[in-house]
Amino acid sequence: EDQVTQSPEALRLQEGESSSLNCSYTVSGLRGLFWYRQDPGKGPEFLFTLYSAGEEKEKERLKATLTKKESFLHITAPKPEDSATYLCAVQAGYSGGGADGLTFGKGTHLIIQP
Amino acid sequence: DGGITQSPKYLFRKEGQNVTLSCEQNLNHDAMYWYRQDPGQGLRLIYYSQIVNDFQKGDIAEGYSVSREKKESFPLTVTSAQKNPTAFYLCASSKSGRAGSYEQYFGPGTRLTVT
Repeated sequence: EDQVTQSPEALRLQEGESSSLNCSYTVSGLRGLFWYRQDPGKGPEFLFTLYSAGEEKEKERLKATLTKKESFLHITAPKPEDSATYLCAVQAGYSGGGADGLTFGKGTHLIIQP
Repeated sequence: DGGITQSPKYLFRKEGQNVTLSCEQNLNHDAMYWYRQDPGQGLRLIYYSQIVNDFQKGDIAEGYSVSREKKESFPLTVTSAQKNPTAFYLCASSKSGRAGSYEQYFGPGTRLTVT
């Protein structure tokens, strides 16, 4: 069974204090790993897709990296508007369907204090 | 603007009643999905569809039904057989293809409360 574990569950940082969120996964052949941002009461917003170990992607203050067992979302010099829940999800190896659902972690609730 | 719409945003129903949640997309995506989100839980897959007139059960399909008569639309019915229907329901869509892994784009969600 595919599993995704995110840590920490919650993280409070001061504005400008850099940190990393962790996503550990076990999956039968990784097709893709996804990071999303979710604001309260809203649908998740897509951030990044990573496909293979060693891959990195950046967007503004966010950088996502991938190894064979985990992914990190690095946040550099965060601002209060970066406060949100960050979700990690995986898509398992090709099952014959061509398009399967994602397996999500429970998320990391990030608060950036001014 | 392209995107996914879900309606209504809030829905209240009495126990024992069926209710249908709407999901429409104009992204020209072949695949569509329904997830359920509960407090403190990850999103869980209910149903997905790769093409019109075809759909597959996800991890928690019991008590739910779907249809896919048009590419743009993927309504979800929460039946009276669903034991704990109160939740935040999210619809998503993506490209579809055997060789690819494509990001899913989500709608704004429908919060269903059953009393």
